[in-house]
Amino acid sequence: SAVISQKPSRDICQRGTSLTIQCQVDSQVTMMFWYRQQPGQSLTLIATANQGSEATYESGFVIDKFPISRPNLTFSTLTVSNMSPEDSSIYLCSVEVVSSDTQYFGPGTRLTVL
Amino acid sequence: GENVEQHPSTLSVQEGDSAVIKCTYSDSASNYFPWYKQELGKGPQLIIDIRSNVGEKKDQRIAVTLNKTAKHFSLHITETQPEDSAVYFCAGLTGGGNKLTFGTGTQLKVEL
Repeated sequence: SAVISQKPSRDICQRGTSLTIQCQVDSQVTMMFWYRQQPGQSLTLIATANQGSEATYESGFVIDKFPISRPNLTFSTLTVSNMSPEDSSIYLCSVEVVSSDTQYFGPGTRLTVL
Repeated sequence: GENVEQHPSTLSVQEGDSAVIKCTYSDSASNYFPWYKQELGKGPQLIIDIRSNVGEKKDQRIAVTLNKTAKHFSLHITETQPEDSAVYFCAGLTGGGNKLTFGTGTQLKVEL
């Protein structure tokens, strides 16, 4: 398995501002992903964070709104830009350990936009 | 793309009873099916998974069954305890890819 940490654990932000969420894993992993979980809903994949190259975004998510970085095999960031109340969600980082298909999730970042 | 449906959305059982949650998937190429448990305020925790070359897998009080022909898989929890109360998500991984598609979740409540 893998131990995953996220910062911040929660935040309350004003509309129009941006927040960067960090994800750190304790071992080198092949894949890192970012998910959004809206209140009371399931998980939706935002993008796959690729090391050293641009992230791969899912339909409905764009780089200008959710820029992602992955400078190395154990760290990634997700920025939620120009926030609106509709962006209030839990943002989750997950990792796949060495081509095992198995994904482990971080504790999540609970974002409230006022 | 893959579509995963999950039933029921809520499930209430008495402590000691069994609980069963069912999921169906659409993509016959899907070959990996994990189950996650999410407690309030926490991230999803992997509790069991099954691959398409296996029909059943068991881990203590938890078991998962897979019917590839019918494209459905189920989570079985026996001898339920109050600490089993949580939201459970099924998911499917499409063959050749790394993208998990999640079901809509089941809120399980184990009552004393």
